[in-house]
Amino acid sequence: EPEVTQTPSHQVTQMGQEVILRCVPISNHLYFYWYRQILGQKVEFLVSFYNNEISEKSEIFDDQFSVERPDGSNFTLKIRSTKLEDSAMYFCASGGGSHAEQFFGPGTRLTVL
Amino acid sequence: AQSVTQLGSHVSVSEGALVLLRCNYSSSVPPYLFWYVQYPNQGLQLLLKYTSAATLVKGINGFEAEFKKSETSFHLTKPSAHMSDAAEYFCAVSPGGNQGGKLIFGQGTELSVKP
Repeated sequence: EPEVTQTPSHQVTQMGQEVILRCVPISNHLYFYWYRQILGQKVEFLVSFYNNEISEKSEIFDDQFSVERPDGSNFTLKIRSTKLEDSAMYFCASGGGSHAEQFFGPGTRLTVL
Repeated sequence: AQSVTQLGSHVSVSEGALVLLRCNYSSSVPPYLFWYVQYPNQGLQLLLKYTSAATLVKGINGFEAEFKKSETSFHLTKPSAHMSDAAEYFCAVSPGGNQGGKLIFGQGTELSVKP
């Protein structure tokens, strides 16, 4: 069964460093998303991406964040200068558009020291 | 603005007992509704979804949920809990069910199952 994959599973970085989180969505999906979940809190929407551009972003997704689909398979989230409060689990999701259903990857746990 | 409220951050039941996890939503347009389950150290797995067809929706692992527009609710139930059901459960809404739209999640309910 097709699934969304994410790498790395755990990333530790120093405050101020740049990180890139990688995702491989399900191959025939057209919609791509990033969400995050701070420990003990709910899952929060960050950004959605369709047709090679951002379709919607939340207030969290400020200038420090960017997304890219550099080739036909990968979808990346870049944080330019990480802050302590960026520590969270980051989930990638993809959807084929059918009934708004989204399929989630296993997540990348980002720890900023 | 759309929102989701899950009543009870932690629910504990005995094995074999009824599971009831509550979810209420707020949406200005007809919503699509979802329940996801998250096992420890794993991602979110779709349990079931409501997409404006039947109001009683059956999902995987014996779970079902009923959409009640008058109560703006979408509670998740399972007649008989199993130890393997212990996990975190998230209710989510897609406002208007539009293609590509974001999901708005509730706070989550952690389900514990006692032997």
